[in-house]
Amino acid sequence: AQSVSQHNHHVILSEAASLELGCNYSYGGTVNLFWYVQYPGQHLQLLLKYFSGDPLVKGIKGFEAEFIKSKFSFNLRKPSVQWSDTAEYFCAVTERDSNYQLIWGAGTKLIIKP
Amino acid sequence: DTGVSQDPRHKITKRGQNVTFRCDPISEHNRLYWYRQTLGQGPEFLTYFQNEAQLEKSRLLSDRFSAERPKGSFSTLEIQRTEQGDSAMYLCASSRSSGYNEQFFGPGTRLTVL
Repeated sequence: AQSVSQHNHHVILSEAASLELGCNYSYGGTVNLFWYVQYPGQHLQLLLKYFSGDPLVKGIKGFEAEFIKSKFSFNLRKPSVQWSDTAEYFCAVTERDSNYQLIWGAGTKLIIKP
Repeated sequence: DTGVSQDPRHKITKRGQNVTFRCDPISEHNRLYWYRQTLGQGPEFLTYFQNEAQLEKSRLLSDRFSAERPKGSFSTLEIQRTEQGDSAMYLCASSRSSGYNEQFFGPGTRLTVL
């Protein structure tokens, strides 16, 4: 069965630090990959997605992620975080042709110290 | 607001009672999904609809759970004879059925079973 692993459950950084959140999935077929973000008190929002093409995808608010097929990874990065990036970040995967259920990681809670 | 809406936002009930939640998807979306999220975990897929047809149900969805989408618009999720283990956030999402499968999420209904 598919599964998604997020390596860190909690990350604390200072403003302006660089960020990398790990995400690995277990599925041998073709996948669509997503990062969602949930700000405090708000609902899940799509941060960025990968379907095909350039494995380096850019999302909103300066975030980017790189799909490395050989490593089954889709790590999220941001060169310089802001206090407003404090949120919970979820990696999710869906099979390319299934188009229905997302398989989610457990999430990473990111706290940015001002 | 043209996003996904859910009602109620919070529900507290006693064990053994029945509860029903409602989800109104984005109007032009014909796919609707239900997920459950417990503390410290990512969402878990429960079921999904294409228009009014329920096309997939997770093994997580016991016989006490039933979902409907009678006219292909709003959906309801009913839990009968609630148990304390049903306490969770119930999330609804919707998407188009063609093209990229970006799912848009509602704010969720937080269920507490006493």
